[in-house]
Amino acid sequence: SQQGEEDPQALSIQEGENATMNCSYKTSINNLQWYRQNSGRGLVHLILIRSNEREKHSGRLRVTLDTSKKSSSLLITASRAADTASYFCATDAISTLTFGKGTMLLVSP
Amino acid sequence: DSGVTQTPKHLITATGQRVTLRCSPRSGDLSVYWYQQSLDQGLQFLIQYYNGEERAKGNILERFSAQQFPDLHSELNLSSLELGDSALYFCASSEFRGSPLHFGNGTRLTVT
Repeated sequence: SQQGEEDPQALSIQEGENATMNCSYKTSINNLQWYRQNSGRGLVHLILIRSNEREKHSGRLRVTLDTSKKSSSLLITASRAADTASYFCATDAISTLTFGKGTMLLVSP
Repeated sequence: DSGVTQTPKHLITATGQRVTLRCSPRSGDLSVYWYQQSLDQGLQFLIQYYNGEERAKGNILERFSAQQFPDLHSELNLSSLELGDSALYFCASSEFRGSPLHFGNGTRLTVT
């Protein structure tokens, strides 16, 4: 069963705009990770946030974590056409990493 | 380049057949994970090995089996294949539990 659920399922924006994706999960976690997948390729790790952290930055990425609401968000600022991909949250809970079904992001030039 | 190598890239086979997918983890990583990705089920965790031993099991069918060898490469065996087994199969590796996963580019399996 899926632990994390991303929202929205799909997002279409223009270059330069910000993109926000949300992730909700059900059980307590050790950490939450965000990954990116270009069509048909392997997933690439973007950022990891631990359960005792509330916010983390990496370049144009900003991740927040609210353990009381069991939710996380990924913000991509000043998006580029090259950011077009699927984005997945993954929760590290009991035994392994469980992925959501992802958000498909389309950034138009 | 993640450093994780999966072979073959594509596999087309018939129902009832058996196939073996191979994965070489990133240098230094002791953990290997197998995931299945399909349009309707998303990314499903199958099984994890750490230094040759099975550590966690997910939604892996009895027709599927895996192992990790002393040189740390891993193989996923799929038998009595059904049309529904058509999917992308990913291998990933990590340095230790909880650390980020490094994914290979997957094996696309088509069962006809």
